[in-house]
Amino acid sequence: GQQLNQSPQSMFIQEGEDVSMNCTSSSIFNTWLWYKQDPGEGPVLLIALYKAGELTSNGRLTAQFGITRKDSFLNISASIPSDVGIYFCAGRPLSGGGADGLTFGKGTHLIIQP
Amino acid sequence: ETGVTQTPRHLVMGMTNKKSLKCEQHLGHNAMYWYKQSAKKPLELMFVYSLEERVENNSVPSRFSPECPNSSHLFLHLHTLQPEDSALYLCASSQDRTRLAGGFNEQFFGPGTRLTVL
Repeated sequence: GQQLNQSPQSMFIQEGEDVSMNCTSSSIFNTWLWYKQDPGEGPVLLIALYKAGELTSNGRLTAQFGITRKDSFLNISASIPSDVGIYFCAGRPLSGGGADGLTFGKGTHLIIQP
Repeated sequence: ETGVTQTPRHLVMGMTNKKSLKCEQHLGHNAMYWYKQSAKKPLELMFVYSLEERVENNSVPSRFSPECPNSSHLFLHLHTLQPEDSALYLCASSQDRTRLAGGFNEQFFGPGTRLTVL
């Protein structure tokens, strides 16, 4: 099946630092989504990307759909304590239909040190 | 509040019990999903329903039985589970659009049911 490689697995940063994480796939995806999951909750959609090269921002978050359609990155600028959580990339392969399930990365665990 | 609710939030059951998980979406979507989230593993898609018909079943053991009586409700019936089935079970919904219309698939998740099988 499809696999997404998400890195890094975890990040330990200081408040105020910028964060960057990425996701790669061995096959072409036509949709890339970035989610954040807090403890005891379900994933919450942060940014959705639909076109190769697309760059989209949501507040301090910026994500890009790679030109090759096999990768995506998420940047968080000037991190704050509430950014702590697990960030997941998710994608839908090129052959996917309208109601296909998503393929998820293993997540990046963001920890902000005082 | 994401518009997708799940009950119960926590469930502890023995291997011989029968229980059901419930999901309800208030977003007017026409597709619903069950995912399993285990520690240190990616979310695993279990079942997909579009317009109340099951369109995907990812080789899930028969001890898990989904039911979608209408576009707003989704159930996962559990029986004779194993300890390794302990996980967070997440429900999601989306608006299914055909490939011709642009198959956008933003899925919105519920808070999950934390299941422990003893």
